[in-house]
Amino acid sequence: QKEVEQDPGPLSVPEGAIVSLNCTYSNSAFQYFMWYRQYSRKGPELLMYTYSSGNKEDGRFTAQVDKSSKYISLFIRDSQPSDSATYLCAMSEGAQKLVFGQGTRLTINP
Amino acid sequence: SQTIHQWPATLVQPVGSPLSLECTVEGTSNPNLYWYRQAAGRGLQLLFYSVGIGQISSEVPQNLSASRPQDRQFILSSKKLLLSDSGFYLCAWRPVGGLYGYTFGSGTRLTVV
Repeated sequence: QKEVEQDPGPLSVPEGAIVSLNCTYSNSAFQYFMWYRQYSRKGPELLMYTYSSGNKEDGRFTAQVDKSSKYISLFIRDSQPSDSATYLCAMSEGAQKLVFGQGTRLTINP
Repeated sequence: SQTIHQWPATLVQPVGSPLSLECTVEGTSNPNLYWYRQAAGRGLQLLFYSVGIGQISSEVPQNLSASRPQDRQFILSSKKLLLSDSGFYLCAWRPVGGLYGYTFGSGTRLTVV
């Protein structure tokens, strides 16, 4: 079993839809959770990060962590074509190496 | 501010040829440095990481090697490329003790023919 599981998609939704991206993990020691966005042929860029459980909101993006279920989510409201990218979850116990999910390829159709 | 530079952006190399990819970080000291490979449709595979000059840890035994000759320079090398070495190579850095994520370079797309 992989430490971090992420549905690779692809996921295609119409513009304006709410998008939900998810990851599950097996290591209960993970405390730091991140979401990266990667446009085609570019390096990943850090989108959001959270510590432990709870929600964090940044504009149209909300990151949610449920440590009891070992489940994290990224919600995108009012999705735009410019949100089309691959989204990778990542997590760590602390200052150790990040463990990445496989990435979900998202397309927002105008 | 800190920046990370990675080059070249694309590279086409014949099987059996050598490889050298370079990554440099500016605006910080003693960063943790990482090399990742991303194959098509797959996640990020950690290849090497370094916590200091000359200190290299290998995550996956393979045809590649890494070196850190200077504090902010990280080099990925191969003596003889294989077809299976094709992929998207990413360099990343993180401050010592940093808790939130890495900053990635723009990547090198390597095609071995």
